Amino acid sequence: GQSLEQPSEVTAVEGAIVQINCTYQTSGFYGLSWYQQHDGGAPTFLSYNALDGLEETGRFSSFLSRSDSYGYLLLQELQMKDSASYFCAVRSNFNKFYFGSGTKLNVKP
Amino acid sequence: DGGITQSPKYLFRKEGQNVTLSCEQNLNHDAMYWYRQDPGQGLRLIYYSQIVNDFQKGDIAEGYSVSREKKESFPLTVTSAQKNPTAFYLCASSIQLGDAEQYFGPGTRLTVT
Repeated sequence: GQSLEQPSEVTAVEGAIVQINCTYQTSGFYGLSWYQQHDGGAPTFLSYNALDGLEETGRFSSFLSRSDSYGYLLLQELQMKDSASYFCAVRSNFNKFYFGSGTKLNVKP
Repeated sequence: DGGITQSPKYLFRKEGQNVTLSCEQNLNHDAMYWYRQDPGQGLRLIYYSQIVNDFQKGDIAEGYSVSREKKESFPLTVTSAQKNPTAFYLCASSIQLGDAEQYFGPGTRLTVT
């Protein structure tokens, strides 16, 4: 089967740094994606890691360790608008994506 | 403006009725997907399509059907055989199947009573 584990909720203050972890167990692994979803809205793509290491895109960075079946999303200089749910998703066999349950990030002033 | 549209935003149906959810994209993407999202859960794949006139079952296809007669359109029918149809339904597309970046529509919240 496929399983992805993320913390259900994280709280941080404006301006801080927060890390959202994702561990996975899937039959077949080709890469790890991250999506942001505001309440009632559509998920939007943030990043994708196919190889080990850190990918940086502005205030957001994503990391992957294939040997540890682990990745994380790092958000720096948090802003109130970053309050949302964040999903990791694994690209598995047959080009299917499996999503985690999501981490709700609460940013406080 | 390119994007994906889903309509309606909210849909209410009585148990035992089939209902069709619309999904249209003008991004010229080959691949399209339907996901279901339940409260506090991730997205689960219902059906996907690599190209026109082709589609495959995802992990929770029972009680659903789709068609892909045009590149731009991928409607989802929720049949009366679906045991628990109340959910948030998201349509997505990507340039080709397996691309990491999927573009999502705004979703349709279906309530069946």
